[in-house]
This record gives sequence, C-alpha cells and structure tokens, in this order.
Amino acid sequence: AQSVTQLDSHVSVSEGTPVLLRCNYSSSYSPSLFWYVQHPNKGLQLLLKYTSAATLVKGINGFEAEFKKSETSFHLTKPSAHMSDAAEYFCVVDNNAGNMLTFGGGTRLMVKP
Amino acid sequence: DAEITQSPRHKITETGRQVTLACHQTWNHNNMFWYRQDLGHGLRLIHYSYGVQDTNKGEVSDGYSVSRSNTEDLPLTLESAASSQTSVYFCASSGDPGSEQYFGPGTRLTVT
Repeated sequence: AQSVTQLDSHVSVSEGTPVLLRCNYSSSYSPSLFWYVQHPNKGLQLLLKYTSAATLVKGINGFEAEFKKSETSFHLTKPSAHMSDAAEYFCVVDNNAGNMLTFGGGTRLMVKP
Repeated sequence: DAEITQSPRHKITETGRQVTLACHQTWNHNNMFWYRQDLGHGLRLIHYSYGVQDTNKGEVSDGYSVSRSNTEDLPLTLESAASSQTSVYFCASSGDPGSEQYFGPGTRLTVT
C-alpha cells in the first residue's frame, strides 16, 4: 500500500519570498513521485516528476523538489514566489505497478502582495 | 495538438437519474482513468482502463461504471445519481507505465 501526506493544507507567503510545500510518502515499491498544480477551476498540470534518476528535480516555473529516500520526503520549493503561483498543489506517488496514482490531500498556496 | 477533453463541463441532475460523463483523448494513450475531487480528499480513483475492453475498479467505484470500446473514449456512468456523488470529476490518460498522467479540465456535477 502507498500513501501521501501533505503536511500543510494551507501555506501563505509574501511575493518574492521562498516557497516550501512539504510532502511525505510511503510506498512498498520504488515509486515515481510527482507534483501537480491546479489553478482555480482548472485541470491539473504537471510541475515536475522524479523517476529514480537525479534526486534534485527541476520543474516548470522555477519549482524544484528533492527526493530524500531516508526521510521519505519529496518537498517542493521555489526561491521566490510570484502572484501567479497561487494555486492548489498536489504531491502524488505512483507505485510503478500499473500507473496507479495516490494523491495527497493538497496544499493551497496563497501569495500576498 | 493532442488533448484530453471532457463534457459536459457542468451538469445538474436529480437524485436517481442516470448520468454519463464523457472523456475523449487524442494522445493515443492506452491507459485512462476517472477521478473525483472532494474537499480535503485530493483526487480519488473511481475506475481505470489499460486498453480496449479492459476496465478495473478503483478506490471509490460503488455507484459508477465505465466501458472502453475504443482507445479514445472512456465514458463514466452514474447508474442512479445520489447527492453523495456531487463532486468534480477528472479524466486522465497516460502512455507508458510510470509516465505522467494528462488531465482533462474536469466536470462539475451537482446532484439535487
């Protein structure tokens, strides 16, 4: 079985300050890990993915995430928040046995001017 | 460009009615998925298919069914709509195992 815990349901930052969205996972397999973003009333867009290559993964719009197996974490970071980053972010694990995804509960990122 | 579309985008129906939500993808992906999104639950898997004539139950499949008669389409049917099925429904597709899933824009369903 696999599970994903996003440690914060809401995160609020000021524009221009760093962003940290935390994600812990558990999996019986060597998983693939993803971060998806969902803007209001939109579908989900892939930000980045980890598939057992480099542990530091760079994604779109300046986001990156680091896979830490010892801590079973896959936190998402961005050095400087922009107003357009305000959205819901989902950490997702794929057990690589049939493309079955398990979603975290989501973190709503708010960016203050 | 390849895409995945859903229709309708919004639907209001009455309790007990049968409802079908359409999902169409032009990626030529073998794998297709249906999820529902509810506050505090992220997305939960309803049904999925790995190819034509293949369908499988997901985590929250009760009250839902799917059929896969071709590669492009995976319609989701609510046999007898219930208020608990008020939700936003997302369809997704993927190619190779472990690859990313591409999501449709969603259908907001309200059951009154």
